[in-house]
Amino acid sequence: AQSVTQLDSQVPVFEEAPVELRCNYSSSVSVYLFWYVQYPNQGLQLLLKYLSGSTLVKGINGFEAEFNKSQTSFHLRKPSVHISDTAEYFCAVSENSGYALNFGKGTSLLVTP
Amino acid sequence: NAGVTQTPKFQVLKTGQSMTLQCAQDMNHNSMYWYRQDPGMGLRLIYYSASEGTTDKGEVPNGYNVSRLNKREFSLRLESAAPSQTSVYFCASKLDRGLYQPQHFGDGTRLSIL
Repeated sequence: AQSVTQLDSQVPVFEEAPVELRCNYSSSVSVYLFWYVQYPNQGLQLLLKYLSGSTLVKGINGFEAEFNKSQTSFHLRKPSVHISDTAEYFCAVSENSGYALNFGKGTSLLVTP
Repeated sequence: NAGVTQTPKFQVLKTGQSMTLQCAQDMNHNSMYWYRQDPGMGLRLIYYSASEGTTDKGEVPNGYNVSRLNKREFSLRLESAAPSQTSVYFCASKLDRGLYQPQHFGDGTRLSIL
């Protein structure tokens, strides 16, 4: 089964600084990857997805992620974060059956002034 | 367009009580899911329904039952609640079993079992 590892459980960062949230997945013939964001007391919202094609994927709220097949990584980046980006971020990979997503344990991003 | 709607939003139960968590989606999706979220554990799949009329166990099905009532609705039942089932429960749906299809989530049900 596909699995996902999010290497950092918490990432503190100052406002307007760049940030990278790391995600590695187990290798497969084909892979479909997603980043979700969860704001406090809310459900998960899709930030971006990698299906195929360009390895640099742009999402909502200025986030982007780069798919790196050789390193089996899908790191999320933002060049300048805002206080409002404070949230939990989840990386996920599609199971080969197509039915389910396997989620990482999440990275808590805390942006402070 | 409401998307995925979960009821109730909050619930407190006593050990041994039963209850049903409701989920409905208005996106004409075929597949629906129930997850639980616990601190430091991410989201773990309890049950899913690939299409109307089918249900299958996920990673952590013990202590739960599900019903796919129709294409729109997918309920999760706790027959005899235990403190270990204190969690935030999320329902999700997606169009079909396509690997590239993202899941859409409800806002969750926060369940405490005393």
